[in-house]
Amino acid sequence: AQKVTQAQTEISVVEKEDVTLDCVYETRDTTYYLFWYKQPPSGELVFLIRRNSFDEQNEISGRYSWNFQKSTSSFNFTITASQVVDSAVYFCALSVSTDSWGKLQFGAGTQVVVTP
Amino acid sequence: NAGVTQTPKFQVLKTGQSMTLQCAQDMNHNSMYWYRQDPGMGLRLIYYSASEGTTDKGEVPNGYNVSRLNKREFSLRLESAAPSQTSVYFCASSYARGTYQETQYFGPGTRLLVL
Repeated sequence: AQKVTQAQTEISVVEKEDVTLDCVYETRDTTYYLFWYKQPPSGELVFLIRRNSFDEQNEISGRYSWNFQKSTSSFNFTITASQVVDSAVYFCALSVSTDSWGKLQFGAGTQVVVTP
Repeated sequence: NAGVTQTPKFQVLKTGQSMTLQCAQDMNHNSMYWYRQDPGMGLRLIYYSASEGTTDKGEVPNGYNVSRLNKREFSLRLESAAPSQTSVYFCASSYARGTYQETQYFGPGTRLLVL
C-alpha cells in the first residue's frame, strides 16, 4: 500500500522568509509519480509539479523549488522569499504505475500562513 | 477550454435525501475521479473510471454510486445522504494508460452540507 506523510500541519512565517514543506512517501513500486498541489483559501486545487521516479533532478520554478531524494523517500518543497499570496494548504501526492489508472494518494496537507 | 467543471457549487441536504453531483471535462482525458476532502485528512478517493463504461471503487466508496455517462461526464450520486457525507467533493481527470500517468486536473469542488 502507498502512503504519503506530511508531518507539518501548519507553518507560519513572516513575508520574505523561506519555508520548506516536507513530504515523505512509501511505496514498493519502482515506477511512481509524485505531485504537489496548492489549495488557496478560495478552495480550488492548483497543480504545481509532477515528477516521475526516474527523474531525481531538482527543479526550480521562480520562487518554488523541489528536492527529490529517493534515498530518503522524500520530495520536499521550498518557497523562497515567501509572499502573502503563498498562504494556502499544500498537498503532496503519489501515484504508482502498477495501479495503472492514476489514482492519487494524498498527504494530509500543510497549511502555510504568511504574514506581512 | 473550461477544464473540469462541477455542479452545483454548494448544496444543503437533509438526512435521507438524494442528489447527484455532476462533473464534465473537455480535455479528452480517459480517466476521471471523485474525491472527498475532510479537514486534516487530505483528499480520499471515492470512485474512479478508467474509461467510458467502466467504474471502480476507491478508498471510501460506501454510500455513493457513480455513472460514467460518456467520455466527458462522470457523476456521483448519494442515494440517502447522511451527516457523515458532509464534505467538499472534487472531481478530477487525467490521461492514464497502462503504466503511464499524466497529471490530474481538478474541478472547483462542490461543498455539501447534510443536516
